[in-house]
Amino acid sequence: EAGVVQSPRYKIIEKKQPVAFWCNPISGHNTLYWYLQNLGQGPELLIRYENEEAVDDSQLPKDRFSAERLKGVDSTLKIQPAELGDSAVYLCASSTSSATNTGELFFGEGSRLTVL
Amino acid sequence: TQLLEQSPQFLSIQEGENLTVYCNSSSVFSSLQWYRQEPGEGPVLLVTVVTGGEVKKLKRLTFQFGDARKDSSLHITAAQPGDTGLYLCAGRSNDYKLSFGAGTTVTVRA
Repeated sequence: EAGVVQSPRYKIIEKKQPVAFWCNPISGHNTLYWYLQNLGQGPELLIRYENEEAVDDSQLPKDRFSAERLKGVDSTLKIQPAELGDSAVYLCASSTSSATNTGELFFGEGSRLTVL
Repeated sequence: TQLLEQSPQFLSIQEGENLTVYCNSSSVFSSLQWYRQEPGEGPVLLVTVVTGGEVKKLKRLTFQFGDARKDSSLHITAAQPGDTGLYLCAGRSNDYKLSFGAGTTVTVRA
């Protein structure tokens, strides 16, 4: 069974440019997460989807970040315009459901963004 | 500010030695998970603990959940170079939100 697929793996852009990341979760997983991870730090939640509904986007900087999961399957995270401080790894994860105490998150390999 | 504090931040030991990593919080969690992350990869689940005082063993790894469900520890016996990685604890609150600690970077030297 295929795992969580993310693309691109690496992206280098100039500040003020837009960038987009794509994630395809494990088939049948209703819940999809986007996390931001700085070097040597733990993942920080940006947004959580249940099917196509964003149920927790409280940590998403909405002035420059946007996300969508139109058909409740794959998802796109966009940054426009990018700032130097956005350099990080953007991780996508999926799970069968978030309404559980024991649910396992399956992570993709991440998209590493460098803003120059 | 991290909801979960992990210590130490870095740990470097010789192969065959034992190590313990700690995860502490002032909050009560309905469950706690430990993940391991290798460079260039996403975190991978090692264990989930649910009951206060619970101890789980996974080969050379022993996980304990505090009685009050606010803290946890991970003990590795006879560490091997393959145990090298970033160890992350993650606590799930009553609204099912999962929060990660900053992680402990473990390096096991051959």
